[in-house]
Amino acid sequence: AQKVTQAQTEISVVEKEDVTLDCVYETRDTTYYLFWYKQPPSGELVFLIRRNSFDEQNEISGRYSWNFQKSTSSFNFTITASQVVDSAVYFCALSEAYSGGGADGLTFGKGTHLIIQP
Amino acid sequence: DAGVIQSPRHEVTEMGQEVTLRCKPISGHDYLFWYRQTMMRGLELLIYFNNNVPIDDSGMPEDRFSAKMPNASFSTLKIQPSEPRDSAVYFCASRIHPQNTEAFFGQGTRLTVV
Repeated sequence: AQKVTQAQTEISVVEKEDVTLDCVYETRDTTYYLFWYKQPPSGELVFLIRRNSFDEQNEISGRYSWNFQKSTSSFNFTITASQVVDSAVYFCALSEAYSGGGADGLTFGKGTHLIIQP
Repeated sequence: DAGVIQSPRHEVTEMGQEVTLRCKPISGHDYLFWYRQTMMRGLELLIYFNNNVPIDDSGMPEDRFSAKMPNASFSTLKIQPSEPRDSAVYFCASRIHPQNTEAFFGQGTRLTVV
């Protein structure tokens, strides 16, 4: 069965610091999809990025970057020059491609609560 | 598009009462998902539909929970009878067919059973 581990329950940094959120996943499938979602204090879940298992190219979007490494089953998320508005809970999630019933749903990690202090 | 719309946003009910949560997915999306978020268990998939047909309901906690999707633009999640341990935030999400696309979530319904 698939599993997503976000070992960091809470991280607190001062504004403008860089911060990396860790995500480690487990899956038996060779084809799978990884996601990051943001949950701000208002409660909604906001999609940030999707990565396919066959595409290990890292991605940068503004201050956000993602490092996908199949060798270590990790999909880490880095925020550069953090801002107070980045304060939220961040979830890493996995979807397997061919594991039968339930494959189309997301398995979420427990989330990392990121606090950016001014 | 207005996104995934859930109603009500907040629901407070007494133990034993029936509760119905509603969801309108994004037009054109083939898949609809119901998730539950609690402090103890995090985000869990309850059930999902493809083209209005339930595909996997293995995440539904027990028989008190039921979900329907009578048409492509509407789904309900019903709890009867409700219990205090059902208190949680319930999210509905939808996406288009290819699995490598992201799901879009509604704002959630915060359910409190007293």
